[in-house]
Amino acid sequence: NAGVTQTPKFQVLKTGQSMTLQCAQDMNHNSMYWYRQDPGMGLRLIYYSASEGTTDKGEVPNGYNVSRLNKREFSLRLESAAPSQTSVYFCASSGGPQETQYFGPGTRLLVL
Amino acid sequence: EDQVTQSPEALRLQEGESSSLNCSYTVSGLRGLFWYRQDPGKGPEFLFTLYSAGEEKEKERLKATLTKKESFLHITAPKPEDSATYLCAGGTSYGKLTFGQGTILTVHP
Repeated sequence: NAGVTQTPKFQVLKTGQSMTLQCAQDMNHNSMYWYRQDPGMGLRLIYYSASEGTTDKGEVPNGYNVSRLNKREFSLRLESAAPSQTSVYFCASSGGPQETQYFGPGTRLLVL
Repeated sequence: EDQVTQSPEALRLQEGESSSLNCSYTVSGLRGLFWYRQDPGKGPEFLFTLYSAGEEKEKERLKATLTKKESFLHITAPKPEDSATYLCAGGTSYGKLTFGQGTILTVHP
């Protein structure tokens, strides 16, 4: 089992460029999440998907969109990147909304 | 507004010197208090979930406890490999985790 995988591991963008962060899990989990981690701010929830076919906003959704492609995959899209989106992005999954979340290795994004 | 506060921000210990990390929380409808370990450049690694006041869980040199307002992570006789950032988070019924800022633990040999 690979658990939660994320691609790419590292990305540099220019302001205004777009990109999609990919996340996949092989644990047959129903719920998936996207967080960002910034120094001094802790991990903050961007979007989550309680089950296949549903998505909801978290604490900091502005500037992002998500797609729950199927039960395994949950992508995060930045349509027009801004320097304020420089961060480390983590994907997580859980069996259900109240169950333990397991995290991927992260994507480090730098927006110039 | 849900809030989780961890203290201290950083803790330096000598190998074998036991101590505790604190997590104070105000989370509406708390459905679980989670502890994670995070190594530099890695994702958070799950350690414990505590569901009710008075509950305790142990794993090797770590023991987590929960009261109605706080959780503690006790580290007994730590080793250098216990050095990491320890995160706590309060969970709600719809799956949102509110994280604290973490405690950076350094254990010197």
